[in-house]
Amino acid sequence: ETGVTQTPRHLVMGMTNKKSLKCEQHLGHNAMYWYKQSAKKPLELMFVYNFKEQTENNSVPSRFSPECPNSSHLFLHLHTLQPEDSALYLCASSPTSGDEQFFGPGTRLTVL
Amino acid sequence: ELKVEQNPLFLSMQEGKNYTIYCNYSTTSDRLYWYRQDPGKSLESLFVLLSNGAVKQEGRLMASLDTKARLSTLHITAAVHDLSATYFCAVDIPPSGTYKYIFGTGTRLKVLA
Repeated sequence: ETGVTQTPRHLVMGMTNKKSLKCEQHLGHNAMYWYKQSAKKPLELMFVYNFKEQTENNSVPSRFSPECPNSSHLFLHLHTLQPEDSALYLCASSPTSGDEQFFGPGTRLTVL
Repeated sequence: ELKVEQNPLFLSMQEGKNYTIYCNYSTTSDRLYWYRQDPGKSLESLFVLLSNGAVKQEGRLMASLDTKARLSTLHITAAVHDLSATYFCAVDIPPSGTYKYIFGTGTRLKVLA
């Protein structure tokens, strides 16, 4: 695998479910990011991790919980989501925070 | 409030024509990025502009940055159908020693044959 990978690519979940999104980067980068892209809003930064430490939480509701166990992996744990959380969730990485970012293919999430 | 605004939001143009997409931002930054997104796909990095007056060109696309005017442009020369996509600019905002991107609204470009 090369670049930034995300699994699953598509996810449908009910409002009471718990699920997790996974991101893995094979670029040797030290910063990783979660973004939300919905139809009616610009791309929104959710979380930033730099050297495994969370450096940014962009006022994201607590029903989204990130986890960064090492510099190569990033998770987004989801619980009790709302239908308005349906969106494309993009993961990105960069050499360090602030550098050019490389994006994964995204997870298309639908909350019923 | 930090804002990054692009215009136009939608652009339909004929093949062979030239056009410019504008990206204005509301706070000080000397790093600006342009990305391309095809429908249903992820973002692909096009240009990294790191200083005032920076100009970069790749094929039919040329990007420039004027940090004093807080303006970046993406110029399209002799457009071809393959350039149809959504183009985003992103500004690097370094508050409190941390860096984060603020993305523009995107410009959806459609090149007609």
